[in-house]
Amino acid sequence: EIVMTQSPGTLSVSPGERVTLSCRASQSVGSSLAWYQQKPGQSPRLLIYSASARATGVPGRFSGRGSGTEFTLTISSLQSEDFAVYFCQQYEKWPPWTFGQGTKVEI
Amino acid sequence: QVQLVESGGSVVQPGGSLRLSCAASGFTFTNYAIHWVRQAPGKGLEWVAFIKYDGSDQQYADSVKGRFTISRDNSRNAVYLQMNSLTGEDTAVYYCAKDRVAVAPTGYYGDYWGQGTLVTVSS
Repeated sequence: EIVMTQSPGTLSVSPGERVTLSCRASQSVGSSLAWYQQKPGQSPRLLIYSASARATGVPGRFSGRGSGTEFTLTISSLQSEDFAVYFCQQYEKWPPWTFGQGTKVEI
Repeated sequence: QVQLVESGGSVVQPGGSLRLSCAASGFTFTNYAIHWVRQAPGKGLEWVAFIKYDGSDQQYADSVKGRFTISRDNSRNAVYLQMNSLTGEDTAVYYCAKDRVAVAPTGYYGDYWGQGTLVTVSS
């Protein structure tokens, strides 16, 4: 099973700042990496798939990069609605889908 | 618009059984795989099960293999998760998620998720 490790666990930032979240896979997943956003009491929302493709309706301030074992999600200018928990997920070698433990972006 | 609505969650005693349902609308249901993913209170996401678009393949997490069964009724646009021999470790919000890729031989990622249904295993 591929283990996904996200860092940091919590990121304390201010609105307008640029934020970069990291996700590392225990073995190569190619570009088979998705990012989700989850706000309290809500279900996950797909942001990025294939490591760098934005899902429908996702603002341009969200961007994904990486391949193999190292991936990043960048929010270019944090908005108030972006405070949430972000999860990465690999789908290269499954089952199972495996998720990172999440990075909480807080004010 | 795409909608996935889970139901069936409740409080159940250890060793008990429960059947969750996922009602889908707004897309061609017969073309897409469906996954179940769960989230224990305050924890991360754990993939549970997958069923291929035509029901010909099912996959399970090791933690539920032999206890949970996923099925679908394409005439009703619904997916089910039969959960048996439940333990406290199964306590979680259970989400169904639509796979993004149509008529795919395998699973990819979830582009739409339901709001979840809470399963609590407790005596």
